[in-house]
Parts: sequence; C-alpha cells; structure tokens
Amino acid sequence: QVQLLQAGAEVRTPGSSVRVSCKASGGTFSNDAISWVRQAPGQGLEWMGGIVPLFGHANYAQKFQGRATITSDKSTSTVYMDLSSLTIEDTAAYFCARVPGAAVTASAFYGMDVWGQGTTVTVSS
Amino acid sequence: DIQLSQSPSFLSASVGDRVTITCRASQGIDNSLAWYQQKPGKAPKLLIYGASTLQSGVPSRFSASGSGTEFTLTIDGLQPEDFATYYCQQLIDYPLFTFGPGTKVDV
Repeated sequence: QVQLLQAGAEVRTPGSSVRVSCKASGGTFSNDAISWVRQAPGQGLEWMGGIVPLFGHANYAQKFQGRATITSDKSTSTVYMDLSSLTIEDTAAYFCARVPGAAVTASAFYGMDVWGQGTTVTVSS
Repeated sequence: DIQLSQSPSFLSASVGDRVTITCRASQGIDNSLAWYQQKPGKAPKLLIYGASTLQSGVPSRFSASGSGTEFTLTIDGLQPEDFATYYCQQLIDYPLFTFGPGTKVDV
C-alpha cells in the first residue's frame, strides 16, 4: 500500500517562498493524481491544486493561481508544491493526497484515499 | 464554482448516539461526494466515496446517502474514537475540488 511521506516543518519569513515535498513510498503515482490541501490553525480544509504526475499538468484553485506551482518528478515519485510571496496567512498544515486512478479515468470518483502526514509551514517575521 | 455547506457546524453527542450530518451543494453533483473524518493534528481520513460507498476498513456504523444537492452522513452508535470533525467534498468538478466547512462532533 502506497504511503505519502512529507517533511515535518518549515519556517519562513514574510515575502519568501517555501517548497513542500510529497514522496510516494511502497508504490508510485503511476495512474493517480496528487492534490495539495492546506489547513490554517483552527480552520477547515482548503484545496490548493493538484497534478497528474503521468502527464505533468497541474491545476490550481483560483486563489492560488500565480502563487503556487505544483510539479512532479516521476524518477523519484515525488510531487512538489512551491508557494511564493508568503504572508502570515499562509501559516498552515499542508497535506498531499492521492486521487486514485485519476490519470486513467479523468475523474475523482474514489475521493482522496491516501494522505501525507502534513507539513507545518510557519510564516513569521 | 460549486459551494458546499454543512449542518450543523457543531454537534454535541454521547457515546451510543445516532448522529446525522448534512451536506448541501450549490448545484447538482450527482453522487460525486466524499466524506472525511479528521482528528486534531492528523490528516483527514476517507470514510465514504460515491456519496454512499464505504471505504475499505471503515466501520459499518458509518453510512451515507444522497444525490444531487443534498447528502447525509450517519454514525449509528457513536464510539469514543468517532469524536472528530467531518468534512464533505465534491468530486464532480475534477480536477477542481471543494470541501465543506466541516462539522465538529464533540461530547
């Protein structure tokens, strides 16, 4: 069963950028999509964007267009999410999640079935 | 964009209770809905997909139904480990997704 591994924590200053990684262990992303979901302290889940590593094409929530960049490295089964121009409001836990079979079905019928443990990003001056 | 609302936002319950959470979509989404459970400090866990299909390994006290714009998640016989926050998510707009605002089930 594939697991998604994420680094524990990052600290950045306002205006800087952060890269969060998500590595597949025990399998690959072969037919799947990977989404990024964030959660600010005490708040709900917010979908940021996603990618189908097989094709390399990413999609973004309108809120993050131009500020988030999601890429994948098939050779290492790793997906990256870069977020630029950080503000205090970007302080959150960032999760990656698998959308199984999406590369083949072009749908998300099965939901997001495997999640990384989350990376906490703290933005502070 | 498809918007989701959930009710109630907070639900006070006791062990053994039957609890129901409602999720409403701003437009019809057929049966393209998932439910997740999240405990503090943990990643969300998929409970239900396709509006009513139980994810493998999820206890049978969880059930869900609905289609179109109105959906429900029911926990029949609440257990101590079920106290958590529950989110619905629309899947029809793939590759774009939306989550509901969440329902916290507490003592």
